[in-house]
Amino acid sequence: NAGVTQTPKFQVLKTGQSMTLQCAQDMNHEYMSWYRQDPGMGLRLIHYSVGAGITDQGEVPNGYNVSRSTTEDFPLRLLSAAPSQTSVYFCASSLLGSDYGYTFGSGTRLTVV
Amino acid sequence: DAKTTQPPSMDCAEGRAANLPCNHSTISGNEYVYWYRQIHSQGPQYIIHGLKNNETNEMASLIITEDRKSSTLILPHATLRDTAVYYCIVRASGANSKLTFGKGITLSVRP
Repeated sequence: NAGVTQTPKFQVLKTGQSMTLQCAQDMNHEYMSWYRQDPGMGLRLIHYSVGAGITDQGEVPNGYNVSRSTTEDFPLRLLSAAPSQTSVYFCASSLLGSDYGYTFGSGTRLTVV
Repeated sequence: DAKTTQPPSMDCAEGRAANLPCNHSTISGNEYVYWYRQIHSQGPQYIIHGLKNNETNEMASLIITEDRKSSTLILPHATLRDTAVYYCIVRASGANSKLTFGKGITLSVRP
């Protein structure tokens, strides 16, 4: 049982480049989400999904796209990277409902130069 | 979702109980109290949650006051590995309810 797997662990992009951060879970969780964490700050929600084919925006969605074609995968796309997107990105998943805790991945450290 | 207030930091001695406070005076009847922690550079880890009753698991105990306006996370025998940022979060019930993180409290466990 691998839990939540994020790839890559580290990435350096040039301004304007695009890339996809991968997130996969093997726990059959309906809910998946992406957060970013900037130095000295708490996590901020980017996008989330309550099931395949369903996505919605969080607190800071601008500059990011998501899709959910399967229950297992929830990729985060940066279409045109900007230095302001330098951050640590965490993916989380859970069963639906408020009686369950989230399982987080180990994060992707992204630097945009 | 109701906001929470936590002190920015605290410390405790290894082997002693760590009592982490959290105020959530505007909590609604259908909102749960969650605790997560984040050890340096790692993803947050779920610890425990509760609605009204006190809860205990293998990691910690959660004490919620009768009026539900505050709670305390108790680590009964803190170790150096418990040094982390601890987040107290209030989250509404419902499938679409979101987990909103504040700045948390930094717990430093000293030898």
